[in-house]
Amino acid sequence: AQRVTQPEKLLSVFKGAPVELKCNYSYSGSPELFWYVQYSRQRLQLLLRHISRESIKGFTADLNKGETSFHLKKPFAQEEDSAMYYCALSGRLGGLTGGGNKLTFGTGTQLKVEL
Amino acid sequence: NAGVTQTPKFQVLKTGQSMTLQCAQDMNHNSMYWYRQDPGMGLRLIYYSASEGTTDKGEVPNGYNVSRLNKREFSLRLESAAPSQTSVYFCASWAPPLDRGGGWTGELFFGEGSRLTVL
Repeated sequence: AQRVTQPEKLLSVFKGAPVELKCNYSYSGSPELFWYVQYSRQRLQLLLRHISRESIKGFTADLNKGETSFHLKKPFAQEEDSAMYYCALSGRLGGLTGGGNKLTFGTGTQLKVEL
Repeated sequence: NAGVTQTPKFQVLKTGQSMTLQCAQDMNHNSMYWYRQDPGMGLRLIYYSASEGTTDKGEVPNGYNVSRLNKREFSLRLESAAPSQTSVYFCASWAPPLDRGGGWTGELFFGEGSRLTVL
């Protein structure tokens, strides 16, 4: 079974402070990890995926297979980063056949950036 | 380009009433999903449809039925609503990766959500 754990329901930081949103996963195969974000009154959208090794809006996340973690980090928080963040795990289903993946989401962490 | 469209956005039901949430996507995606979002529970998969003509149960399917009407549309039906089904419901479709040999698994596109209250 695949599981995603986000231990913090709420994370409050001051503007300019570093941010780290924690995510741990459980999966026996080769995982694909994602971070999705939901800004106030907007739809859920993809923030970044581990395999792309990209930095989006200053956020980065490194997959640590030894610790089964995929923490989301940003060195300097901005007010516009306030949102709900979801870590998600997709297990490979026999290769990329276009048949879709099942994403398992964590419970989410509400990030509040205070002035 | 509308993406994923859900209707209605808000609905209040009485216990025992039935209703259908409609979802349509215009991106020619094969796979579609229904999730529910509850405080402290995150997003939980109710049903999904990997391709037109197929549907499968997700994590919390009890009390729901789905229909994949065609490639564009995937509806979620509550036959006899219960207060425990008060939630925000999200429809999503999956965009496969552009590079099948590259390894990244594409992206889920979500609708705006439907807030359902069952009294």
